[in-house]
Amino acid sequence: AQSVTQLGSHVSVSEGALVLLRCNYSSSVPPYLFWYVQYPNQGLQLLLKYTTGATLVKGINGFEAEFKKSETSFHLTKPSAHMSDAAEYFCAVKDQAGTALIFGKGTTLSVSS
Amino acid sequence: DTAVSQTPKYLVTQMGNDKSIKCEQNLGHDTMYWYKQDSKKFLKIMFSYNNKELIINETVPNRFSPKSPDKAHLNLHINSLELGDSAVYFCASSQGAGRNTGELFFGEGSRLTVL
Repeated sequence: AQSVTQLGSHVSVSEGALVLLRCNYSSSVPPYLFWYVQYPNQGLQLLLKYTTGATLVKGINGFEAEFKKSETSFHLTKPSAHMSDAAEYFCAVKDQAGTALIFGKGTTLSVSS
Repeated sequence: DTAVSQTPKYLVTQMGNDKSIKCEQNLGHDTMYWYKQDSKKFLKIMFSYNNKELIINETVPNRFSPKSPDKAHLNLHINSLELGDSAVYFCASSQGAGRNTGELFFGEGSRLTVL
């Protein structure tokens, strides 16, 4: 069965610093991978996704992620953090039936000035 | 226009009551979902419907009963509410089926508090 592990439940960075949120997956089929962001008291919004093709995926708000099959990873990065990036971030993999998403436990990103 | 809308946004009720949460999407999608987010923010799939047909039914107490009157609506009815049912319930929708299912679009959530 597919699963997702997000390393670090809480990441703190300074404004302008590199953001790195880690995600490792387990899948018996070629994975479809996603990063979602959740701002306080809101629903989830798609940041980016990988299905096939180019392994470096660019998303909204300056985020990008790289699919590394050999490492079973899909880490999320942003070169320079903004205060507005403070939120909860979820990595997800599409399940074997191919319909629902299986989410990791989330990483809270804090950004300090 | 809100793409995926849920009502009510907040719901406070007593143990043992029955309550419903409604969801509507105006994206023309054919698949809809209910997810539960617990106090630790863990998201777990509960149900999924494709064109009004139940396709995912995870291990959820049978006090929870989804209903999809048409492909734009998916409601969640909960009987005999328990303290552990307190959570945020998210509705979502997507287009396509199987591995070709597109991204999920989420509603803003319905926060249920059981006292």
